[in-house]
Amino acid sequence: NAGVTQTPKFQVLKTGQSMTLQCAQDMNHEYMSWYRQDPGMGLRLIHYSVGAGITDQGEVPNGYNVSRSTTEDFPLRLLSAAPSQTSVYFCASSPRAGGLSNNQPQHFGDGTRLSIL
Amino acid sequence: GESVGLHLPTLSVQEGDNSIINCAYSNSASDYFIWYKQESGKGPQFIIDIRSNMDKRQGQRVTVLLNKTVKHLSLQIAATQPGDSAVYFCAGFGTGTYKYIFGTGTRLKVLA
Repeated sequence: NAGVTQTPKFQVLKTGQSMTLQCAQDMNHEYMSWYRQDPGMGLRLIHYSVGAGITDQGEVPNGYNVSRSTTEDFPLRLLSAAPSQTSVYFCASSPRAGGLSNNQPQHFGDGTRLSIL
Repeated sequence: GESVGLHLPTLSVQEGDNSIINCAYSNSASDYFIWYKQESGKGPQFIIDIRSNMDKRQGQRVTVLLNKTVKHLSLQIAATQPGDSAVYFCAGFGTGTYKYIFGTGTRLKVLA
């Protein structure tokens, strides 16, 4: 059981380039989310999905797109990279979300460290 | 807007002492709270959670207390060990919003 797998682990981009950060989970979790973590700050929610075919925006969605065509995969796309997007990106999943008795903690990947020059 | 904040950025404790890390939240609609531990270079790891219909929950060496009246959450670590050195985050989840909101984190340093 691999849990949440993020690729790549490290990436350097030039301003204006595009790329996709991959996230896959093998736990059949319904809820998946992307966060960015900047130095001295907590995790800020970029986008999330409550199930295949359903996505929504978090706190800081600008400059990022997501899709959820399968339960397992939740890729994050940077359309035109900017230096302000230099950060560590974490993907997380949980079995389901919603309903007081249903909530369970998220499982996190090990992150993608992204630098934009 | 919603926010989840922590009172102290750094907490230093002697090995063997108890640690208390505090967290305040602003959204009354948050009904599920989680504490995570993050070690350098790794993703957050789940420690303990609590639902809004509870005041206290205990795990192995950890206890979470929830005071909904003042919107305050705390994590207590008993007999703190060097391996507990890390950054600790609280997160709140609102069922209506489907969003987890994280605090900025408290760095726990365990002194030998």
